[in-house]
Amino acid sequence: DAGVTQSPTHLIKTRGQQVTLRCSPKSGHDTVSWYQQALGQGPQFIFQYYEEEERQRGNFPDRFSGHQFPNYSSELNVNALLLGDSALYLCASSLAIPAPLYEQYFGPGTRLTVT
Amino acid sequence: DAKTTQPPSMDCAEGRAANLPCNHSTISGNEYVYWYRQIHSQGPQYIIHGLKNNETNEMASLIITEDRKSSTLILPHATLRDTAVYYCIVRVAAYSGGGADGLTFGKGTHLIIQP
Repeated sequence: DAGVTQSPTHLIKTRGQQVTLRCSPKSGHDTVSWYQQALGQGPQFIFQYYEEEERQRGNFPDRFSGHQFPNYSSELNVNALLLGDSALYLCASSLAIPAPLYEQYFGPGTRLTVT
Repeated sequence: DAKTTQPPSMDCAEGRAANLPCNHSTISGNEYVYWYRQIHSQGPQYIIHGLKNNETNEMASLIITEDRKSSTLILPHATLRDTAVYYCIVRVAAYSGGGADGLTFGKGTHLIIQP
């Protein structure tokens, strides 16, 4: 059973450019969340997608946008890249059930470097 | 979600029990304590969660004080592979209309297992 997969592994972009990161959730999961992790910091929640809609959003500007496809996979788009967008971008998947267990499965991340 | 406080780093000898503390003095009655860890170059991994009773699984034990203002994660026989950043997260467990909510990570505790 494949876990959460992300592509690409590493990416180098120039300031002002746009980037798209991709995520495939763990088999059977229907919810995808995206996180940004700067060096030496804990992951910061960007947004979450469920039923192809953005359901919750953290404190990130509109330059960060996303999409979820019918097969539950997801994309994260960042426009007008800034040097400060350099980070590890993590995708996590989960199943939307009303249960107390909150277990998100994380992918290995995409390392984005903006020069 | 309630705020948590963790020591920035800890050392533990291989084979000994590693005890990682977490303070969450503002925790509410419906908030659970979750622990995740992040091994270098990987995404975070769920370890355990609890509400008020002590919990144990194949990875670790979670001890929550009676007033629920602090907790301790115990790795009973630490190995070198347990070297990682450990995050204590406090949040409401029930999902809110359409998927599990985003996690709020702090800086965590960097646990170093010494050979």
